[in-house]
Amino acid sequence: KNEVEQSPQNLTAQEGEFITINCSYSVGISALHWLQQHPGGGIVSLFMLSSGKKKHGRLIATINIQEKHSSLHITASHPRDSAVYICAAVTQGGSEKLVFGKGTKLTVNP
Amino acid sequence: EAGVTQSPTHLIKTRGQQVTLRCSPISGHTSVYWYQQALGLGLQFLLWYDEGEERNRGNFPPRFSGRQFPNYSSELNVNALELEDSALYLCASSWLTGGLGEQYFGPGTRLTVT
Repeated sequence: KNEVEQSPQNLTAQEGEFITINCSYSVGISALHWLQQHPGGGIVSLFMLSSGKKKHGRLIATINIQEKHSSLHITASHPRDSAVYICAAVTQGGSEKLVFGKGTKLTVNP
Repeated sequence: EAGVTQSPTHLIKTRGQQVTLRCSPISGHTSVYWYQQALGLGLQFLLWYDEGEERNRGNFPPRFSGRQFPNYSSELNVNALELEDSALYLCASSWLTGGLGEQYFGPGTRLTVT
C-alpha cells in the first residue's frame, strides 16, 4: 500500500460541476501539498497546508490531521481545470521528504 | 521575477552514458528539490538540497547524484544511464526548507535513453 493514496484515479465532469479529489496518507506529516500538472508537463503548486482549510478562487483545500485525509474541491468547474492533480505529503521525522500520490486525472467537458 | 529554469529542455542519450541536468532556483530560494516522473508513473522524490548540503534523497541508486552551488543553483548527475532512466526530471525551489514552503517548479528536462 502506498503511503499516499488518491481517489479517484480518473474523473470526468461536466462544466459547472463541483469536483472533489481525495488524498489519504498513512505516515506522519508536517504538511501536505496539492499540485496541478497540465498535459505539457508543467507543474504548479496550488496549496501547501498543515491544518484547516485554504481557498484560492474556485479552489478549496482541506486537511484533517486526525483522520489523515485531505480534499481538494473545485467549484464551478471549467474545461481549463482539466489537468492531473497530485497530492504530496511532507513526511516528519527529521529527514523530511515528499511522498506523492499517483495523481487524479480530471477532464472537464464543456 | 524569473521562475525556476532548467536546462537542457530535452536530451537524448544512450545506455551507459552520463548526463548532467541543471537547475536555477528563483532568486532568494535556498532549497532545491529534484523529482523524476517516468512515463505513466507518478512523481518520485530524488534529492533535496538546502544551503549547499544534501538533506535527503529518495530511493534511487547512488548513480543518481547532484550538488548545490554557492549561488543555490543545482546539478543532477546520472551515471551509467539505463533505459528506465528515461523520464521527465523536474526541479523545484522553495524559500522554506524541509518541504514546508510552497514549491515552484521548473519546466523540466525530458531525458530519453536509447
